[in-house]
Amino acid sequence: AQTVTQSQPEMSVQEAETVTLSCTYDTSESNYYLFWYKQPPSRQMILVIRQEAYKQQNATENRFSVNFQKAAKSFSLKISDSQLGDTAMYFCAFIFQRRAGNMLTFGGGTRLMVKP
Amino acid sequence: EPEVTQTPSHQVTQMGQEVILRCVPISNHLYFYWYRQILGQKVEFLVSFYNNEISEKSEIFDDQFSVERPDGSNFTLKIRSTKLEDSAMYFCASNPSGSQETQYFGPGTRLLVL
Repeated sequence: AQTVTQSQPEMSVQEAETVTLSCTYDTSESNYYLFWYKQPPSRQMILVIRQEAYKQQNATENRFSVNFQKAAKSFSLKISDSQLGDTAMYFCAFIFQRRAGNMLTFGGGTRLMVKP
Repeated sequence: EPEVTQTPSHQVTQMGQEVILRCVPISNHLYFYWYRQILGQKVEFLVSFYNNEISEKSEIFDDQFSVERPDGSNFTLKIRSTKLEDSAMYFCASNPSGSQETQYFGPGTRLLVL
């Protein structure tokens, strides 16, 4: 079974600063994808960034980037130039390439507060 | 930009009642999913659906739950006899071809069972 662990239940950062959210996962699969989803107070799930396990290059999406360490099974999210609108729950999620219709496995989430 | 929609946004029901949660996936998507999130907890997979049948389900998805695609656009989750512990946020998601593609989530339905 796959597990996803986010060890930081809550974090805070000053506006315009950089923050890194941690995620580790456990799997015996070799082909998989990793995601970070953002859940603002409205509770909608919004995709932030995704990483294919076969790619060595870390994914980047504007102010969001990941540090993917496959051997260590680590997938952290870095948010640069933090903005008040980044305040949200952040969930790390995993899916493996087995067949279609696979489920996402989520971590427990990290609540990020951006302070003015 | 196309998006997944869900209705209602909020639903309050009495324990033992049946509820139907509705979703309209993105129009060219073929795989549909339901997840739930009990307040303060992680998001949990319930079921995936393709070609008018369930492709995968979790142990949460017991006989009280069912899914259906009654027409070309809607995808529904029915809970036959709600329990207090069914109170949660229910998310619908879809993607074009299943597998490892990004799943796009709807805004969720907040269900409260009294």
